[in-house]
Amino acid sequence: AQSVAQPEDQVNVAEGNPLTVKCTYSVSGNPYLFWYVQYPNRGLQFLLKYITGDNLVKGSYGFEAEFNKSQTSFHLKKPSALVSDSALYFCAAYNFNKFYFGSGTKLNVKP
Amino acid sequence: DTEVTQTPKHLVMGMTNKKSLKCEQHMGHRAMYWYKQKAKKPPELMFVYSYEKLSINESVPSRFSPECPNSSLLNLHLHALQPEDSALYLCASSQDLNSGTSYVDTQYFGPGTRLTVL
Repeated sequence: AQSVAQPEDQVNVAEGNPLTVKCTYSVSGNPYLFWYVQYPNRGLQFLLKYITGDNLVKGSYGFEAEFNKSQTSFHLKKPSALVSDSALYFCAAYNFNKFYFGSGTKLNVKP
Repeated sequence: DTEVTQTPKHLVMGMTNKKSLKCEQHMGHRAMYWYKQKAKKPPELMFVYSYEKLSINESVPSRFSPECPNSSLLNLHLHALQPEDSALYLCASSQDLNSGTSYVDTQYFGPGTRLTVL
């Protein structure tokens, strides 16, 4: 079965510290990989995507993600977290016209 | 303009009511999607339209009926819903549906309609 895993339900980090939100995937072929962010009572907002090329992808709001094919991972990172980054983050893999979403990770950034 | 709009923002309905959710985009996208999202869960795909034709139906019960009257609009007609259908319903659009060999379209999501079925 195709799946995307986000092993952490919640990540807590202090403002100014680096953050990592983990994602691994088990999707056949060479899926395209996405990160979305969702604020309370809002739809998903696109952050970044990996299709091919450089393993480090830069996206919106200072976020970046590192693709590792051997580990089938696509971790989201940011060098310095902001309180306003607190939200629910979804990793997704796209293949054969279908998105597979992870279960989501709640990021809490404390002042 | 990268905006997908959805109306209404909130909807409360009884199990015998008939209501509709509306989604609109003016980005020239030819693929549109309906998702259902329960609290603190990932979105679940319901339907996909490509060039105004239903392309994917993820075995959704017939009490949910999608409609794509034109390339900018997507409706979801609701009838005889159950309390467990209460959720956030998200609409999304993308340039196209086919991923091709090296190009895949980002989905742009609307803010959602919060549906409560009593």
